[in-house]
Amino acid sequence: NAGVTQTPKFRILKIGQSMTLQCTQDMNHNYMYWYRQDPGMGLKLIYYSVGAGITDKGEVPNGYNVSRSTTEDFPLRLELAAPSQTSVYFCASRPILAGRYQETQYFGPGTRLLVL
Amino acid sequence: GQQVMQIPQYQHVQEGEDFTTYCNSSTTLSNIQWYKQRPGGHPVFLIQLVKSGEVKKQKRLTFQFGEAKKNSSLHITATQTTDVGTYFCAGSAYGGSQGNLIFGKGTKLSVKP
Repeated sequence: NAGVTQTPKFRILKIGQSMTLQCTQDMNHNYMYWYRQDPGMGLKLIYYSVGAGITDKGEVPNGYNVSRSTTEDFPLRLELAAPSQTSVYFCASRPILAGRYQETQYFGPGTRLLVL
Repeated sequence: GQQVMQIPQYQHVQEGEDFTTYCNSSTTLSNIQWYKQRPGGHPVFLIQLVKSGEVKKQKRLTFQFGEAKKNSSLHITATQTTDVGTYFCAGSAYGGSQGNLIFGKGTKLSVKP
């Protein structure tokens, strides 16, 4: 299993541009998450999904959109990039049940985004 | 809303010294998890604590969950350079939204050889 994969690894955007951050998992996990991590800060939840066709807002959803058409993929869309969206973005997934570790999340390698 | 506070923010130690990071939640947690993030890397799951007063050990790492299930700690004995990274606690509240985790800001550990 490749686990959770994210593309691209790094991207520079100009203000006002749009882009999609890709996230794919091959573990057949129902739950998927998007976090952003700013320097010296913890992880803040942007959006999450409990299964294909179901998404919900997290703590910091403004400026982002998501979709979940398949179990495997959970892309994050930035429509009008702003400097405040400069951050490292992590995708994570977890199964509904995983024995003792029911809520353990498995993280992708991250996408580093710079908006200038 | 629910908050998870973690202290200290930074810790610099000499190799061989001990290290402890503390985590406090504003609400009672159903469980708490600890993750480690190496510089430039992604968070990696270390352990989950579920029971009140639970203590778990992984080699030189000792994890504790408070009796009230609102605080936790991670203690590393005799740190090594391989322990360098940021340690995050993450709590899941009872009745929380889909078991979502609230992460602390992390404690960044540096180890001087």
